[in-house]
Amino acid sequence: EPEVTQTPSHQVTQMGQEVILRCVPISNHLYFYWYRQILGQKVEFLVSFYNNEISEKSEIFDDQFSVERPDGSNFTLKIRSTKLEDSAMYFCASSISGENIQYFGAGTRLSVL
Amino acid sequence: GEDVEQSLFLSVREGDSSVINCTYTDSSSTYLYWYKQEPGAGLQLLTYIFSNMDMKQDQRLTVLLNKKDKHLSLRIADTQTGDSAIYFCAERDLTGTASKLTFGTGTRLQVTL
Repeated sequence: EPEVTQTPSHQVTQMGQEVILRCVPISNHLYFYWYRQILGQKVEFLVSFYNNEISEKSEIFDDQFSVERPDGSNFTLKIRSTKLEDSAMYFCASSISGENIQYFGAGTRLSVL
Repeated sequence: GEDVEQSLFLSVREGDSSVINCTYTDSSSTYLYWYKQEPGAGLQLLTYIFSNMDMKQDQRLTVLLNKKDKHLSLRIADTQTGDSAIYFCAERDLTGTASKLTFGTGTRLQVTL
């Protein structure tokens, strides 16, 4: 069964460093998403991406964040200068259309020290 | 904005039924989802219901929707130890071109022998 894969499963970084979280969406899907879950809190929407541009973003998704689909298969989330409060589980999701079911990856746990 | 609330913890005995509850605030037509998260794994879609339906059954899973009270429940019949996980209720925002999901905090289901 096709699945969304995310790498790495756990990323540890120093405050102020840049990190790139990687996702390979399901191959025939056209819409891509990032969500995050801070420990003990709700899963929160960050951004949606379609046709090589951002469709929608939340207030969390500030100038420190960017997304890219560099090569037609990967979908990345970059955090330019990590802060302690960026520590969270980051989930990637994809769907065939904006109205269809979103399939999630296993997540990348980001720890900012 | 939309808000989704769930109780945090539920403990049931193996073989009993589990009922996980969720309330939401969106007043427009929407899809409501139940996702399951096992330790170290991603968010697995269990089932979903459109807001013009009252009930949906899928094998051991029954979803009940009270649209008037904006209350959603997931009933798991004959609960097994393998059902131990965190269950997330999510609502899909139909505005915008790519629908974001709004999640509850998740209910941790513990199944005891």
